[in-house]
Amino acid sequence: DQQVKQNSPSLSVQEGRISILNCDYTNSMFDYFLWYKKYPAEGPTFLISISSIKDKNEDGRFTVFLNKSAKHLSLHIVPSQPGDSAVYFCAASTTGFQKLVFGTGTRLLVSP
Amino acid sequence: NAGVMQNPRHLVRRRGQEARLRCSPMKGHSHVYWYRQLPEEGLKFMVYLQKENIIDESGMPKERFSAEFPKEGPSILRIQQVVRGDSAAYFCASSPDLTFSTDTQYFGPGTRLTVL
Repeated sequence: DQQVKQNSPSLSVQEGRISILNCDYTNSMFDYFLWYKKYPAEGPTFLISISSIKDKNEDGRFTVFLNKSAKHLSLHIVPSQPGDSAVYFCAASTTGFQKLVFGTGTRLLVSP
Repeated sequence: NAGVMQNPRHLVRRRGQEARLRCSPMKGHSHVYWYRQLPEEGLKFMVYLQKENIIDESGMPKERFSAEFPKEGPSILRIQQVVRGDSAAYFCASSPDLTFSTDTQYFGPGTRLTVL
């Protein structure tokens, strides 16, 4: 039962363009969502999060959008840089339960 | 401020042996989580511990796996009688006291377990 889904296993964009990574969830109890970035042989690094009381959160080049009615969130990176090339994981949690439920990841490749 | 530390980074065991994975949380963090990542999959929650207490072990296999977070020292994930299917990357994360339930979890570099 995959409660958090990232349907695009990979995404390629050119440097300077926008990268849009998508994530869908099925559990309506989720009320907090996070994006992590992961390089090979390293642990995931926290990028940005959003609470279900908001529909947008911005931090520098990274913006996360949440559409609760569609159970969909997206991460926008603009402008994309080659150093952004990594695997991006979407994760979700429910208040009162500390475990994170992760998607399967999207591999982003930003070419110069 | 040192991050979450895990050791060993790589561990090779033969079937039937025991594997012990260690995790030292970030300074000031009293909550530890273990996740497992199988090849080509996302991270799957295993267990959540506070000092000397297991809070949520809903993701732990019922047999052969155990975890502890003693009053002193690192958290330990122990796998007895390992099988090839246990080969995976095991990540530990920590978070500070839960003043806010959405405190972010910070991950260590992982231990890559290979079972021959």
